[in-house]
Amino acid sequence: ETGVTQSPTHLIKTRGQQVTLRCSSQSGHNTVSWYQQALGQGPQFIFQYYREEENGRGNFPPRFSGLQFPNYSSELNVNALELDDSALYLCASSLAPGLPPEETQYFGPGTRLLVL
Amino acid sequence: AQTVTQSQPEMSVQEAETVTLSCTYDTSESNYYLFWYKQPPSRQMILVIRQEAYKQQNATENRFSVNFQKAAKSFSLKISDSQLGDTAMYFCAFMSRYSGGGADGLTFGKGTHLIIQP
Repeated sequence: ETGVTQSPTHLIKTRGQQVTLRCSSQSGHNTVSWYQQALGQGPQFIFQYYREEENGRGNFPPRFSGLQFPNYSSELNVNALELDDSALYLCASSLAPGLPPEETQYFGPGTRLLVL
Repeated sequence: AQTVTQSQPEMSVQEAETVTLSCTYDTSESNYYLFWYKQPPSRQMILVIRQEAYKQQNATENRFSVNFQKAAKSFSLKISDSQLGDTAMYFCAFMSRYSGGGADGLTFGKGTHLIIQP
């Protein structure tokens, strides 16, 4: 157990809807990263938040957005859902951005999203 | 952009045997970190081992060790005395030093499904 929690564990939405996924970081961690893991693939980096500001972004469209709160919990929002958004969404918290060991990322169990 | 390649989609060994998982990567950077993560059926990604590119010495964590060949851009994971609980997907991942205040996150390979047979 890493201390990183995510909710919900599973979610079913229809195309065009909006979804919000939540992540609670490990105690003392102020940085959170979100990843999308399609079936049979490795995770892909969506973005990272540090002290409530977006600190970096992967190759994902603007309809993927996020928030980080003062308690360092985080949300991933996806608008206008597409069928290809069906995936496991992982969040990972770290002590700080930068280089390991502080940046070593500890993952939550993920949220499985199915878009019909 | 960096890429990570894991050429073995699936491997199967007997309990107590030693197994080596392969990983190669491509980058133009000189300062970076490499990781092996384990993802069991529970889906939670667990850090197995970490290697700093500037260190010559190969990292070791109990039964897990790596063979890091920087010039060849190779980073293999050796699991000694394999156990049933080692059955999982194993992902090799790369992280570079970020510049300009941004973060690139981890770049993952597609994974190797390791099955430990009793």
